[in-house]
Parts: sequence; C-alpha cells; structure tokens
Amino acid sequence: DIQMTQSPSSLSASVGDTVTITCRASQGISNYLAWFQQKPGKAPKSLIFAAATLQNGVPSRFGGSGSGTDFTLTIFNLQPEDFATYYCQQYYSSPYTFGQGTNLEIK
Amino acid sequence: EVQLLESGGGLVQPGGYLRLSCAASGFTFTSSAMNWVRQAPGKGLEWVSSISGSGGSSNYADSVKGRFTISRDNSKNTVYLQMDSLRAEDTATYYCAKERGANFRTAFDDWGPGALVTVSS
Repeated sequence: DIQMTQSPSSLSASVGDTVTITCRASQGISNYLAWFQQKPGKAPKSLIFAAATLQNGVPSRFGGSGSGTDFTLTIFNLQPEDFATYYCQQYYSSPYTFGQGTNLEIK
Repeated sequence: EVQLLESGGGLVQPGGYLRLSCAASGFTFTSSAMNWVRQAPGKGLEWVSSISGSGGSSNYADSVKGRFTISRDNSKNTVYLQMDSLRAEDTATYYCAKERGANFRTAFDDWGPGALVTVSS
C-alpha cells in the first residue's frame, strides 16, 4: 500500500496569512493526488484533483502543486472559513490512501 | 445539482450486519464510479471500497475484504455497502463519494453527508 504522510499535523495562522501543507507519498504517484477540506461534524469537501486542478467553485486562493512523491497545498490570504482540517489522498492505486490530516487553527 | 444521501446506519451488535444505501441524483449515475469512505470518531479518513460505473469492477480495503460487499443498482441510481461480521472497530461515519469518471483513478468530487454506524453490545 502507498503511505501518505502530511506535515505539519497542526498549524496555527491568522486571517490574511499564507500557509503551506505538504504531503509525501511512499512511492511515485504521478499527479494522482487530491486535497480535501473537512469542518467539524461535516462531510469532506473536495478542493483539488490531479495535484493542481481546482474543483468547481473552489476559490482561487487555494493552490496545489507537485508530482511524483512530493506535493503541497497552499492557501493564500486565509479567510475565516478556511480554518478546518485538510487531507491529501492518492488515487494512483488501490487502496486509495489518505494522509493523517492537518488541523489548521486560528492563531 | 449533485446530491448523495446515505441511509441505513444505526446501532448493531458485534458479529451483526447492516446495509448502507447511497441514493444519487443530479448526474448521470453510470458515468461515475462510486466509493465508500469511513471516519472513526475523532480519527482521519479511511477509504473502504469502490465500484465502477458499470458495476463490473470493485475494490476493497484489506480491513473489510471478505466482510463488506459493494454493489450498485443503476436503475435506481443507488450504491450499497453490505457490511457483515461487524466489529467494534467498524464504528464510524460512512460517507458515499462519487468519482469524476466511470472508471477508477478519476478523483472524487462530491460527497454525501454521511451515515453513522455504531457496533456495540
């Protein structure tokens, strides 16, 4: 199975900041990488697929990059609604594994 | 508008069974592979199973292989998860998620609100 490792596990930031979350795959996954946002008590929301393509309706302050084993999610100009937990996921091969999550908190 | 709605969750004893359903609308159902993803209380996301748009192919996580069965009824726009021999560690919220294409490896886009399954005596 492909292991996905996210860092950091938690992050504190302020409104208006830019933050970066990284995700590393245990083997190459090309660009079969997705990012999700989840708020407490809610279903995950799909943000990015193919490492860098925004899902419909996702604000342009979200950006993804990377290929192979190393990927990043960057959120520019943080807004109050962005404070949540973020997960990466590889869909290169079954089982589709998720990272352990990054909890983004308000400083 | 895409809508996915899970049902069938509840409390079941260890060793028991439960069938989850996910009713879909707002898109061409056969054009999307479907997945089940679960989340134990206070934990992260775990992919459980996927089925192709035709229903001809499916995959399972090792943790549920041999106990859970995914299926779909394309005439009813519904995907199912039959869960047998349930264990305490299967306690979780189960989410239905659609993929962007009919085959695997096309990325998730929409998710249902989830159904809670509690396995306890």
